[in-house]
Amino acid sequence: EPEVTQTPSHQVTQMGQEVILRCVPISNHLYFYWYRQILGQKVEFLVSFYNNEISEKSEIFDDQFSVERPDGSNFTLKIRSTKLEDSAMYFCASRGALGAQYFGPGTRLLVL
Amino acid sequence: SQQGEEDPQALSIQEGENATMNCSYKTSINNLQWYRQNSGRGLVHLILIRSNEREKHSGRLRVTLDTSKKSSSLLITASRAADTASYFCATDPTGANSKLTFGKGITLSVRP
Repeated sequence: EPEVTQTPSHQVTQMGQEVILRCVPISNHLYFYWYRQILGQKVEFLVSFYNNEISEKSEIFDDQFSVERPDGSNFTLKIRSTKLEDSAMYFCASRGALGAQYFGPGTRLLVL
Repeated sequence: SQQGEEDPQALSIQEGENATMNCSYKTSINNLQWYRQNSGRGLVHLILIRSNEREKHSGRLRVTLDTSKKSSSLLITASRAADTASYFCATDPTGANSKLTFGKGITLSVRP
């Protein structure tokens, strides 16, 4: 069964450093998303992406964040200058034709 | 309360018993999706129910939707220890590349 994959599974970085989180969505899906979950809190929407452009972004998704689909398979989230409060689990999701969003296993980001 | 609020917050049952979890929401939806999350892991899509549907089944799962009451329930029958996880409902307002809004989740413990 096809699934969304994410790398790395864990990332530890120093405050101010740039990180790139990578995702490979399900191959025939066209809509892609990033969400995050701070420990003990709700899953929060960050950004949606379709047809090589951002469809919607939340207030969290400020100028420090960017997304890219550099090729036909990868979908990346870049945080330019990480802050302590960016520590969270980051989930990539892709949406099938029937509307269900399928999530990857997540990248646990720890900013020190 | 906010969009996608589940109750109870925590539920502990004996293996073999049924588990019922409820979700309420505030705004109109196109569909509602239920997810499972094992501790520190990714979100597993369980079932999607559309606003024009009242009930759906998938294996031991039964989901109902009452749009007049803006509520949904997830029933797990004949629970197993492996069902121990957090369960989230997520609402999709438009069904067209829209973000999901998650509740805080219900922690289900199934005692062997």
